[in-house]
Amino acid sequence: EIVLTQSPGTLSLSPGERATLSCRASQSVGTRFLAWYQHKPGQAPRLLIYGASSRAAGIADRFSGSGSGTDFTLTISRLEPEDFAVYYCQQYSGTLPWTFGQGTKVEI
Amino acid sequence: QVQLQESGPGLVKPSETLSLTCTVSGGSVSTDSYYWNWLRQSPGKGLEWIGYVFHSGTTHYNPSLESRVTISVDTSKNQFSLKLTSVMSADTAIYYCARNLLVPTERYFDLWGRGTLVTVSS
Repeated sequence: EIVLTQSPGTLSLSPGERATLSCRASQSVGTRFLAWYQHKPGQAPRLLIYGASSRAAGIADRFSGSGSGTDFTLTISRLEPEDFAVYYCQQYSGTLPWTFGQGTKVEI
Repeated sequence: QVQLQESGPGLVKPSETLSLTCTVSGGSVSTDSYYWNWLRQSPGKGLEWIGYVFHSGTTHYNPSLESRVTISVDTSKNQFSLKLTSVMSADTAIYYCARNLLVPTERYFDLWGRGTLVTVSS
């Protein structure tokens, strides 16, 4: 099983600031088998990024993803009030089970 | 647009069977394009993939739960279901249904339900 470790656990920032979230895999997930999700309490998780760097439909361009192999990053260029949430990375390489990181909470 | 909605009991006794259903609206569970999945999030923990079903009935489960899990599909009702046997307190979680594409390079979860809380307690 591929273990994903996200850091930091909590990121305390203000609106307008830049957020940089990290996701590290215990073994390579290739160049593109990594997704990022935003999750707010009581809501369905929302797909932000797939293929490590492709934005999902309707996702603002302040969200960007990068990385390959074992190290991936989600960047939110300028935080909006609605961006304060928990963010998860997920690997979907050929190695089942598909796994998630433990999450990074972005708070004010 | 396609929507997913979980339903089922919110309280299950230890050692009993947890049963949940996901209803697909605005689309068909019989599509050849998607797997239909169950995932969960235990209190204070991350997300865990439980398993998937294809409309043909083909399934694949997380090895950590495989001995207790059954996921099935009912194409006539446009639903798929989860059964988890011999539940314990560690199975208390928010359970989500979600879909992902069959294409090996695109198996991220692009649509989720809102989730339903299941508590295991006597």
